[in-house]
Amino acid sequence: EVQLVESGGGLVQPERSLRLSCTASGLSLGDYTMTWVRQAPGKGLEWVGFIRSKVIGETTEYAASVEGRFTISRDDSKNIVYLQMNSLKTEDTAVYYCARHLPGATRTYFDFWGQGTLVTVSS
Amino acid sequence: AIRMTQSPYSVSASTGDRVTITCRASQGISSDLAWYQQKPGKAPKLLIYGASTLQSGVPSRFSGSRSGTDFALTISGLQSEDFATYYCQQYYSYPFTFGPGTKVDI
Repeated sequence: EVQLVESGGGLVQPERSLRLSCTASGLSLGDYTMTWVRQAPGKGLEWVGFIRSKVIGETTEYAASVEGRFTISRDDSKNIVYLQMNSLKTEDTAVYYCARHLPGATRTYFDFWGQGTLVTVSS
Repeated sequence: AIRMTQSPYSVSASTGDRVTITCRASQGISSDLAWYQQKPGKAPKLLIYGASTLQSGVPSRFSGSRSGTDFALTISGLQSEDFATYYCQQYYSYPFTFGPGTKVDI
C-alpha cells in the first residue's frame, strides 16, 4: 500500500525554524518529483514548492511567499523528502501536505497526498 | 502567476441533484487543469486531470470539461459522500495555483 506520512509539525515561535519530513512507503520516492502544499486554518490550498527527482536534476521551485525562507531537500536512500522552514511567520500557520507528481515529470497534477501535519507559528 | 477563480463560492444541493462548478484561468493553460475533492480534516483527493480525464477509481458521475480558459466540474446525481469542497488547480506553469474552492453542502 502506498503511503506518504508527514511529520515534524508542532507549535513554534515566530522567527524560529522547523523541519518537516514526508516519509514514503510502498513506493520508491526517488522516481518522483515531490511537492509541498499548505492550507491555513479554514482557508484554501496553497502550493509551497517542489523538488524534482534526481534523474531530472533534483532542483527546486518555490512560491514567492516562501522563497528564501523554505528549502526542500530529499534523501532517496531513506525515502524521505524534507521541508526546512526558517524565519517562520504567523502566516505560515497551516496544515502542510506532501504530494507526488507523476513519475519522471514536473508539470503534472498531484495524484497522491499525505495526510498532513499541522504547523502553528505563535508566540 | 496564473490566477484561478471559481464559482460559486458555495452551493446547497440535495442528493440526486446535478451540480456544476466552474473555474476560470487568468490566461491560457491548455488543458493542464486538475480537480480535487477535499473533506473536512482530510487530504485532497484527485478527481480529474487534463481537464476531463477521470482519475482511476473515481465514480463516473464526475465529469470535467473545458472551453478556452473556462473549465467545469459536473457531478451528475449527487451522492451523500460528495458533500465536500472542490478545488481546481493549474499545472501549466509555476507557481502552480489553486482556485479558492467551492463548498458543496446540503
